[in-house]
Amino acid sequence: LAKTTQPISMDSYEGQEVNITCSHNNIATNDYITWYQQFPSQGPRFIIQGYKTKVTNEVASLFIPADRKSSTLSLPRVSLSDTAVYYCLVGDRTSGTYKYIFGTGTRLKVLA
Amino acid sequence: KAGVTQTPRYLIKTRGQQVTLSCSPISGHRSVSWYQQTPGQGLQFLFEYFSETQRNKGNFPGRFSGRQFSNSRSEMNVSTLELGDSALYLCASSLEVAGPQETQYFGPGTRLLVL
Repeated sequence: LAKTTQPISMDSYEGQEVNITCSHNNIATNDYITWYQQFPSQGPRFIIQGYKTKVTNEVASLFIPADRKSSTLSLPRVSLSDTAVYYCLVGDRTSGTYKYIFGTGTRLKVLA
Repeated sequence: KAGVTQTPRYLIKTRGQQVTLSCSPISGHRSVSWYQQTPGQGLQFLFEYFSETQRNKGNFPGRFSGRQFSNSRSEMNVSTLELGDSALYLCASSLEVAGPQETQYFGPGTRLLVL
């Protein structure tokens, strides 16, 4: 069964760059890695998705090494509003069908 | 384009009752998945529907069921509610059935409290 591992929590100060790493040792060959952000009592919000190397959009960058056993979400110059829980997501097909497996999430707290 | 909508947003039930939650996916999306989120267990996959057929199922008892209509709207039903069913129930939609590159978009969730 696919499994992801993330740090439980992180603290950062406003204006700093934050890097959150997710370990996904048994990711499938053609699987993508997706990251979500979640605020309390809201649904997860899509941040970024990638397959290998580096992907960048207007809010974050995603770094995936050649072995794809981990990925790092990079948030440049965080603000207080980035305080949230961040999840990485991979798929699992061990049962014969494709399912999404969320990690336990990383609680990011941004301090003033 | 409107996002995923879920109704109701909040619900209080008592043990033994049943409940039905509704989800309307993003226009054009044909897959709807349901998740249960609790502080102790995190985000757990319940099931996925695509073209009115259940395609995938997580490890939940038969008290949890769902269906999808021809317009892709989906309902989830929980019968004989237990205290442990108190959770945030999230619905997510995607264009196609779950796959490596499919992106899921989540609704705001329904907060269910079982007393």
